[in-house]
Amino acid sequence: RKEVEQDPGPFNVPEGATVAFNCTYSNSASQSFFWYRQDCRKEPKLLMSVYSSGNEDGRFTAQLNRASQYISLLIRDSKLSDSATYLCVVNTPNDYKLSFGAGTTVTVRA
Amino acid sequence: EAEVAQSPRYKITEKSQAVAFWCDPISGHATLYWYRQILGQGPELLVQFQDESVVDDSQLPKDRFSAERLKGVDSTLKIQPAELGDSAMYLCASSLAWVAGGNEQFFGPGTRLTVL
Repeated sequence: RKEVEQDPGPFNVPEGATVAFNCTYSNSASQSFFWYRQDCRKEPKLLMSVYSSGNEDGRFTAQLNRASQYISLLIRDSKLSDSATYLCVVNTPNDYKLSFGAGTTVTVRA
Repeated sequence: EAEVAQSPRYKITEKSQAVAFWCDPISGHATLYWYRQILGQGPELLVQFQDESVVDDSQLPKDRFSAERLKGVDSTLKIQPAELGDSAMYLCASSLAWVAGGNEQFFGPGTRLTVL
């Protein structure tokens, strides 16, 4: 079983729509969680960290559900520029490694 | 804004040849990572350095891959000999420190390797 699993999508949504997707992780002892964004053929960039209480950054909302071992990302009022692959990243305890999911592709159309 | 530099950006080579990639992390970042990303997958850690020391190279195919960071600043990743399955994006990342919970990792633009 992979450490981090994501629905690859693609999620095709119109501008202005809300899109949400989840990521599951296998290690219940995982401590830190992040969403990275990766544009086509570019490097990943940190979008936001995910805190236990959930957190919001503008149009982006991240949630953590430790009991079910998943994190979610919700994008409100989607923009064309939100089209990208969103990588779920989980900190592996004990060795401090980051484990990346394969990514969820979002395409926002005009 | 400080960035992680990588070169070359693209490399095409024939199988059995040697290739080398270079990375210069953000100034002051003690921790440096090399990842391999195959199309459609997430980055996978190959090797992690803390200053000049290797912290983790458990996923590095040591029969053909080597990595060094001699002065604790820039780093080189080498493949010899290259195989067809090595075709991928090789990403370098750096962070201020290596701590529990993880510091933000800043990625370079990557080197896209094609092995023919």
